[in-house]
Amino acid sequence: DGGITQSPKYLFRKEGQNVTLSCEQNLNHDAMYWYRQDPGQGLRLIYYSQIVNDFQKGDIAEGYSVSREKKESFPLTVTSAQKNPTAFYLCASSMRYAAITDTQYFGPGTRLTVL
Amino acid sequence: GEDVEQSLFLSVREGDSSVINCTYTDSSSTYLYWYKQEPGAGLQLLTYIFSNMDMKQDQRLTVLLNKKDKHLSLRIADTQTGDSAIYFCAERPVNYGQNFVFGPGTRLSVLP
Repeated sequence: DGGITQSPKYLFRKEGQNVTLSCEQNLNHDAMYWYRQDPGQGLRLIYYSQIVNDFQKGDIAEGYSVSREKKESFPLTVTSAQKNPTAFYLCASSMRYAAITDTQYFGPGTRLTVL
Repeated sequence: GEDVEQSLFLSVREGDSSVINCTYTDSSSTYLYWYKQEPGAGLQLLTYIFSNMDMKQDQRLTVLLNKKDKHLSLRIADTQTGDSAIYFCAERPVNYGQNFVFGPGTRLSVLP
């Protein structure tokens, strides 16, 4: 059963703590993405990775960090520097970055709440 | 910069047609997309249309594209309660590093 998994589904964090969100895919996709979703707003791109061992900042990378040591994994760390981290975080993957016919497939999301 | 706009809410009665509208700014986008998000879930690709097409039909879904006005619409025929969700329009501008630009989403409520 191929797909993208994210864990945990719900995450609570105290202010000042770093937290890492997991994203795993078994679709053999080269590219992976992290988005943030806030009510009434479209998805905003945090980081993306075109291929293993590579990643680039998206529109709102400040306060976040990522790694891409394995093709199937793209964890996102929300650091204490992120001023307003409470949001719904979505991970996505696509077969090849920037291919014209490529589409993104999304995981189920992680809802992060900062207490 | 790139921007995609949608109405935030739409209510229809079960069995009626729903039309969700979207405007985008970048005429360089090759493909335009519609995604569906059910409560607490990720986005599911519904359909996409190539920019040189005017219309695409897929079962109950019809996508209409007006390139001159940069207007995209999604029509859902015979709307069912299971269609209640948030629908996102997205473009992929060639000059935006091939990344997607999503609209804010339209929350469709289907009334019995």
